Amino acid sequence: QKEVEQNSGPLSVPEGAIASLNCTYSDRGSQSFFWYRQYSGKSPELIMSIYSNGDKEDGRFTAQLNKASQYVSLLIRDSQPSDSATYLCAVNGAAGNKLTFGGGTRVLVKP
Amino acid sequence: DAGITQSPRYKITETGRQVTLMCHQTWSHSYMFWYRQDLGHGLRLIYYSAAADITDKGEVPDGYVVSRSKTENFPLTLESATRSQTSVYFCASSGFRDYGYTFGSGTRLTVV
Repeated sequence: QKEVEQNSGPLSVPEGAIASLNCTYSDRGSQSFFWYRQYSGKSPELIMSIYSNGDKEDGRFTAQLNKASQYVSLLIRDSQPSDSATYLCAVNGAAGNKLTFGGGTRVLVKP
Repeated sequence: DAGITQSPRYKITETGRQVTLMCHQTWSHSYMFWYRQDLGHGLRLIYYSAAADITDKGEVPDGYVVSRSKTENFPLTLESATRSQTSVYFCASSGFRDYGYTFGSGTRLTVV
């Protein structure tokens, strides 16, 4: 079983809709959680971090964390074609500052 | 230039050759990391460093060597390149534990 799991997609959403991405992790001691966006041929770019249970909003992005269920999600509101990318979930486990990444979910926003 | 830079951007090498990928950051971040990214495997940690002269293995360290004599540099050496090491390599840095990483632009390495 992979430590951080994501649906690979593609997740196809119409422009203006909400894209909902999910991520589960196996290390119950995980302390910090991140979402990265990666455009094709580019490096990952940090878009959200979340450390405590609940929701965290930043512009059109909302990260949600439920440590009891070992579940992190990312909502992208008012999706734009420029949001088309692969979104990587990353988890910092209890054993030091080492991020484990999920395989990523590819998102396609159609005009 | 400020930030984290990797060189070269592209490299083609032959099986059995030694090759070094360079990573340089200007923020004096304590933590530095090397990941490789392959289709079907995502990003996998090769080596990481918590400070100068402190390095440790990640998930896939075999065939790689790192050093960190200065805080700002973290080179990755493939001692004897194999075709299975064909990949995109990303260097990253972080100033504090539990902060996110900032990635370099990556090096696309092809071993023929």
